[in-house]
Amino acid sequence: GAGVSQSPSNKVTEKGKDVELRCDPISGHTALYWYRQSLGQGLEFLIYFQGNSAPDKSGLPSDRFSAERTGGSVSTLTIQRTQQEDSAVYLCASRTVGSGGSENNEQFFGPGTRLTVL
Amino acid sequence: LAKTTQPISMDSYEGQEVNITCSHNNIATNDYITWYQQFPSQGPRFIIQGYKTKVTNEVASLFIPADRKSSTLSLPRVSLSDTAVYYCLVGDVFTQGGKLIFGQGTELSVKP
Repeated sequence: GAGVSQSPSNKVTEKGKDVELRCDPISGHTALYWYRQSLGQGLEFLIYFQGNSAPDKSGLPSDRFSAERTGGSVSTLTIQRTQQEDSAVYLCASRTVGSGGSENNEQFFGPGTRLTVL
Repeated sequence: LAKTTQPISMDSYEGQEVNITCSHNNIATNDYITWYQQFPSQGPRFIIQGYKTKVTNEVASLFIPADRKSSTLSLPRVSLSDTAVYYCLVGDVFTQGGKLIFGQGTELSVKP
């Protein structure tokens, strides 16, 4: 079946512009996560959705970053007034959560969006 | 979330067994231990998860001692295609929503 998809795969923008990154999770996965990975660094958690709600936004680095999820499916990560330090690969992941919760933490990652801010 | 410590890099040769040990001294009672693999220019891929003792799947084995303060990922008979970064993560899926806190990982290099 289809995995997690992200678009665009690459995005080059100028400093100060806004960008939107899209994530299509695996169908039926209720949990969705955004991470970013700077060059040569590990992954950094940004935000977590359960359904359309975001119970954990603790990783968003500043108020220029926001995300939403609609219909319990597609999610959009928006970065306003981009800065050069925002350059990174932005990864989305999704996970299925059974009723009553699940101890399985297998997250399925998309291929990422490589963002370059000039 | 419990912090993890693992070697920055490891070298191995094809056909050898590779063991990567991760320390997580302040692991909490409800925490699970999860390992992910990441190839260059790709998102991480789940390898294995465990709570205690030993877990084995078609890819790897995970050994967890009784005190759970460390864990060892074992890759049998590695090949060149196992060259990747391996991340050890510890967390409570139920109360933390499953968010993954990645450390630096172990960069495994498999040589012919």
